[in-house]
Amino acid sequence: EAEVAQSPRYKITEKSQAVAFWCDPISGHATLYWYRQILGQGPELLVQFQDESVVDDSQLPKDRFSAERLKGVDSTLKIQPAELGDSAMYLCASSLADQTTGYTFGSGTRLTVV
Amino acid sequence: AQSVTQLDSHVSVSEGTPVLLRCNYSSSYSPSLFWYVQHPNKGLQLLLKYTSAATLVKGINGFEAEFKKSETSFHLTKPSAHMSDAAEYFCVVSWGAGNMLTFGGGTRLMVKP
Repeated sequence: EAEVAQSPRYKITEKSQAVAFWCDPISGHATLYWYRQILGQGPELLVQFQDESVVDDSQLPKDRFSAERLKGVDSTLKIQPAELGDSAMYLCASSLADQTTGYTFGSGTRLTVV
Repeated sequence: AQSVTQLDSHVSVSEGTPVLLRCNYSSSYSPSLFWYVQHPNKGLQLLLKYTSAATLVKGINGFEAEFKKSETSFHLTKPSAHMSDAAEYFCVVSWGAGNMLTFGGGTRLMVKP
């Protein structure tokens, strides 16, 4: 069964450092999402891509977060500088453009900022 | 505004007894509704989805949910709980032209032997 790949699985970084997460969606999925899930809460959308274009990044803290999907396939989410409050699980999901098969989530990257 | 409310943050059942996880939504549009399950330190797995076809939706692992428009509810049920069902469950609504997802706060299901 096709999966959404994310790396790394775990990341510990010191505050003020830069950190990056990578996501490879299911082949053929035009839509890619990045979510942040704080412990004990539901995921919140950070950014949505349709192919290489950003559809929605209204909840992305743009002073420190950036996301790109240059070739419309895999994507990178970056935080610089990291803050203690950024500690969370970062989930990537992908879907076909018409969402007919639903959304498939990766296993996530758990970030701890110390 | 669109929102999803999961009425119970924790539910505890005994193995072999029925499961009911409650979800209410608020949406100005005709929504698509989903239930996802998340085991510890794992990603989210789709249990089932409602997309304006049959109101009773059957999912994986014996779960099902019924869409009730008059009650704006989409409760998740299972006739008999198994120990492996212990996890966090999220009710999710998809809305808008971009089909963005809004998650409920989650319900932690505990299954006692």
